[in-house]
Amino acid sequence: KAGVTQTPRYLIKTRGQQVTLSCSPISGHRSVSWYQQTPGQGLQFLFEYFSETQRNKGNFPGRFSGRQFSNSRSEMNVSTLELGDSALYLCASRGTDEKLFFGSGTQLSVL
Amino acid sequence: AQKVTQAQTEISVVEKEDVTLDCVYETRDTTYYLFWYKQPPSGELVFLIRRNSFDEQNEISGRYSWNFQKSTSSFNFTITASQVVDSAVYFCALSARGGGNKLTFGTGTQLKVEL
Repeated sequence: KAGVTQTPRYLIKTRGQQVTLSCSPISGHRSVSWYQQTPGQGLQFLFEYFSETQRNKGNFPGRFSGRQFSNSRSEMNVSTLELGDSALYLCASRGTDEKLFFGSGTQLSVL
Repeated sequence: AQKVTQAQTEISVVEKEDVTLDCVYETRDTTYYLFWYKQPPSGELVFLIRRNSFDEQNEISGRYSWNFQKSTSSFNFTITASQVVDSAVYFCALSARGGGNKLTFGTGTQLKVEL
């Protein structure tokens, strides 16, 4: 069974640009969530989607948004990038067993 | 508010030593879930265990064991006979019942196992 797949693995952007990250959950998982990991703030919850609906949202500005498609795949978007948005963005999916499985992440660098 | 504290920033041991990673949590919820994840240099968070607050039974899985003590709000993780492949950052996390995928993570403990 394939794990959580995130693309791209690495991304370099400049300030002011926008970026879209993609996540394919484990087959059969309908719940997807996103986390940001930085050396300073650690792992922080961004948002969670279930059946195309946002169920929960962390304390991040509106520049961070996401969506989920009917096939459970999810995307997150960051607009007007700032230097502080440089981070590892992790996607996780959850099945009925309540276990949360993470992907390898997308390393975003903002220059 | 929920909080997870991993006071050990970095631990270095020699292979075959036993090592315990500490985790202390704070929550006002009566039902909650505790997790441990391993993050190797590749970046992926590898799921190790999920325990609900009603189950204080200790668990052993191979060389891994977990000691959950509600009285001290601790959920410690022990690796027996450590190996170099155990080198990674280990995170303890907490979620409330009904909190879905919203986990509160500790700051992690970097474990280095040397030959």
